[in-house]
Amino acid sequence: QEQLVESGGGVVQPGKSLRLSCEASGFTFSSFGMHWVRQAPGKGLEWVAVITYDGSIEDYVESVKGRFTISRDDSRNTLFLHMNSLRSEDTAVYYCAKAAYSSSSPHAYFDLWGRGTLVTVSS
Amino acid sequence: DIVLTQSPDSLAVSLGERATINCKSSQSVFHDSYNKNYLAWYRQRPGQPPEVLISWASTRESGVPDRFSGSGSGTDFTLTISSLQAEDVADYYCQQYYGSPPYTFGQGTKLEIK
Repeated sequence: QEQLVESGGGVVQPGKSLRLSCEASGFTFSSFGMHWVRQAPGKGLEWVAVITYDGSIEDYVESVKGRFTISRDDSRNTLFLHMNSLRSEDTAVYYCAKAAYSSSSPHAYFDLWGRGTLVTVSS
Repeated sequence: DIVLTQSPDSLAVSLGERATINCKSSQSVFHDSYNKNYLAWYRQRPGQPPEVLISWASTRESGVPDRFSGSGSGTDFTLTISSLQAEDVADYYCQQYYGSPPYTFGQGTKLEIK
C-alpha cells in the first residue's frame, strides 16, 4: 500500500530553521518526482517545491527561494525540506506529494499525499 | 506565473442535485504537442489531505465515482458532480501542472449541503 508520512513539524521562532521529512513506502520512490505543498490555517493550497526523480531539477515558489531547500535520499526512501530564516507567513501544514507519473520534467499532478505536518512560526 | 480563479467561492447544493465548479486560467494550459490539458481537480474533505479526482482536465482517476466529471480546454474548465452525496462536502481545488513551476492551485471552492 502506497504511503507518505511527514514528520519534523513544530513550533519555531522567526528566523530559525527546521527540517521536514517525508518517508515513502509501497512504491518505487526513486522513480518519481516529489513535491511539497503547504496550507496555511483556514486557507487554500500552495505549491512550494519540487525535486525530480533523479534530483537533477529543483524548483521553488518565489516566496521561499533562497530560504528552503528540497532534497531526497533514495536509499532511505525519504524526501526532505530544509527551511531556514522562517517567517510567520510560513506557518502552515506541509504536505509531501508524489508525482502521478514518472518524468524527467518537474511537471505533475499528485496522486498520493501524506497527512501533513504542522509548522508554526511564532515568538 | 499562471493564476487559476475558481468560481464560485462557495456553493450549497441539495443531496442528489448537480454541483458545478469552474476554474479559469490566466493562460492556456493546453500542450499542442501532446494534445493534453495540464489541469487536475482535487477534493479535500475536512481534516484530510487532498485527493485527486480528475487529471488531464477530463480523465477520472482510478476509484473515483463516475458522478465526478471534468470538462473544458485551454483556459476554461469545469468540475461537475452529477448527484451530490453527503461525503462530497469538501473543499475543491483545481491545479495546473503546465510547463515550468510554480504549479499553482485555484483558491478553492467550499461545497456544502443545502
